[in-house]
Order: sequence, then C-alpha cells, then structure tokens
Amino acid sequence: QQPVQSPQAVILREGEDAVINCSSSKALYSVHWYRQKHGEAPVFLMILLKGGEQKGHEKISASFNEKKQQSSLYLTASQLSYSGTYFCGTVGSSNTGKLIFGQGTTLQVKP
Amino acid sequence: GAGVSQSPSNKVTEKGKDVELRCDPISGHTALYWYRQRLGQGLEFLIYFQGNSAPDKSGLPSDRFSAERTGESVSTLTIQRTQQEDSAVYLCASSLARGGTGELFFGEGSRLTVL
Repeated sequence: QQPVQSPQAVILREGEDAVINCSSSKALYSVHWYRQKHGEAPVFLMILLKGGEQKGHEKISASFNEKKQQSSLYLTASQLSYSGTYFCGTVGSSNTGKLIFGQGTTLQVKP
Repeated sequence: GAGVSQSPSNKVTEKGKDVELRCDPISGHTALYWYRQRLGQGLEFLIYFQGNSAPDKSGLPSDRFSAERTGESVSTLTIQRTQQEDSAVYLCASSLARGGTGELFFGEGSRLTVL
C-alpha cells in the first residue's frame, strides 16, 4: 500500500527549514527518500533501515519511527538547489524488495 | 556507460501497437525495478527483479504488460496493444544491494506517447 506524504507542497525562502513526513499503514523494513527535479530522474538522498541504521546525504537528515511506521525528512537552511519533488519509498517488513513510493511533496525554495 | 541506460528515450506509437522498452542496469547490480510516472504524478511500481527472477509482479497494470530480464543484465518491458492511458515515462532503476536495502540508481526514462 502506498505511503502517504505530507505536506503535498511547500514554499520556502532560502535559509528556512522544512520537514516532510511519510506515513505507512503497514510495518516497514526500510524507508527511502529521493528527490526529483523537473524533467530529470529521481536521485537518492537517504535510506533508513529497520533497527536504526541510517545511510545518506550529509546535509539532509531523516528519522524513522518503526513503531509508528513513520519517517520524516529534515531539510535545514534550505538552498535554491533543494527545490524539486521529494518522494518517500517504503519496503514492507517481509522485505520482498518491493519499493513503493508516496505521491510526492513539491518543495520550492525562493531567493 | 556508468549509469543506467534506457532506450528508446522517446517513443510515439499508435493505439493498438506493441512497444518494447529496454533497460541496461549498472554492471553488477542484481536488483532491477520498473516504475511508471504519468505527467505530474508519482512513481508507480510495476515490477522488481532480483537477478533474473521476479519476486513481485503485482504492479503490472494488466496482462498487456510483461517484463523479462536476462541474467543480471538487460531487462525489457513489453506493452502489447497499447492504449492512450499507457502514455507515461517508464523509469528503470538498479541497485547493487538486495531489494529494499540499498540505493536505487534511476535511468533517464523512456517517454511513451500513445496517439
């Protein structure tokens, strides 16, 4: 089942912070975060694994609450280059490898 | 090349024709995914391969869609009797890690337009 992201869209000024949330109705094995710029392929940002291991981007952080089946992506001191659509993807606890993405959150950073 | 390669990059076809989309993953990547992205929409899961077996085909929208993979190499997604609602960008991604545990590297996609 598709994870639910919130908010759907956010507009920031450079230097402001943002949080994007991802929620699943099922127990999870891992949560992935990707960013897609218009007309380009999605690019990996972060993966959070069950058990707390976190791998990813040094300027962007994320949390994974396994009990609540939720993840949040934290963008601090946003830059113009952060603009794009952010997708969370989830793999269920049985880890069949099936990675399903949410509907996306569009982030626009203005000067 | 170093990245995931997809071909064709653009395909315009008439309704009812068959199309084949190809994906060359990064060498050594055992996991391969196909997604569909309609204009302004999210990434819709189609199928996942681990090696040349497909543990999960549940995302294929209908029996007009099929996919295969040769070893741990090339994959083809075939759409038979195309319909206008098949118009979308079809994205392929590969991963070195077993599904769910590692970074996915996406290709630039194949844009399909069905007239």
